[in-house]
Amino acid sequence: SYELTQPPSVSVSPGQTARITCSGDALPKKFAYWYQQKSGQAPVLVIYEDSKRPSGIPERFSGSSSGTMATLTISGAQLEDEADYYCYSTDNSGDHRVFGGGTKLTVL
Amino acid sequence: QVTLRESGPALVKPTQTLTLTCTVSGFSVSAHGMCVSWIRQPPGKAPEWLARIDWDDDKHYSTSLKTRLTISKDTSKNQVVLTVTNMDPVDTGTYYCARTTVGIPAYFDFWGQGTLVTVSS
Repeated sequence: SYELTQPPSVSVSPGQTARITCSGDALPKKFAYWYQQKSGQAPVLVIYEDSKRPSGIPERFSGSSSGTMATLTISGAQLEDEADYYCYSTDNSGDHRVFGGGTKLTVL
Repeated sequence: QVTLRESGPALVKPTQTLTLTCTVSGFSVSAHGMCVSWIRQPPGKAPEWLARIDWDDDKHYSTSLKTRLTISKDTSKNQVVLTVTNMDPVDTGTYYCARTTVGIPAYFDFWGQGTLVTVSS
C-alpha cells in the first residue's frame, strides 16, 4: 500500500504562518490536494493540483510541492482556520488513492 | 449550485449489507466528465476513498475493499448507490459522497454532509 505522512499537530499564534507538510514517494509525479475539516463538518477542498486555490478559498491559503514533499501554507493564520487538514494523492500506479493521517492545526 | 446528499440506515448489524444513496443536484451524473466517489471516515481517523463511478459507467474500487463494494448509478433519479457487503464493526464511520473531477489523481471538489453508519448487534 501507499502512505502519505503528515505531522499530527501544528500550533501557531494568530497572525503567524502555519506550514503543514505531506510526504509521499509519488509526489514528484502526482499532484497533492489539501482538505480542511472543521469539527463535525465535511472536508472542504482548499488547494488542488499542488498550488491552485478553488474559488472562495482565502488568499492566505497556498500550496507548494518539491520532490517528495508537499506543503500547505496558511499566511496569517486566523482563529477560524483551526481544523484538521488532510493531504490526498495517489501512488505512481494510480491504484492506491490515499489521504494522509491528518494534521490538527491549533491557532491560539 | 452543486449539492450532494447521502441517505441510508444509521445502524446495521454485523454481516448485513449496507446500501447508501447519494442524491445529486447541480450536475448530471451522466454528463461527460462527471464522476462521483464514496469516501468514509472512521471516528477520529482520516478519510478513506472507497469507490468511484464515471459518467460513462466506468467503475473504480479501493483495492483493499473491492470484493465487498458495488457502485452504480440511476441516471433517471440522478443518484449514485453504494453497497457494502458483510459489514463489520470496523466499518463504522461517516460515509460521504463527493463530486470527483478528473485529475492526476482525480479529486473531490464538492462533498455531501455525510451520513453516520454504526455497525453493532
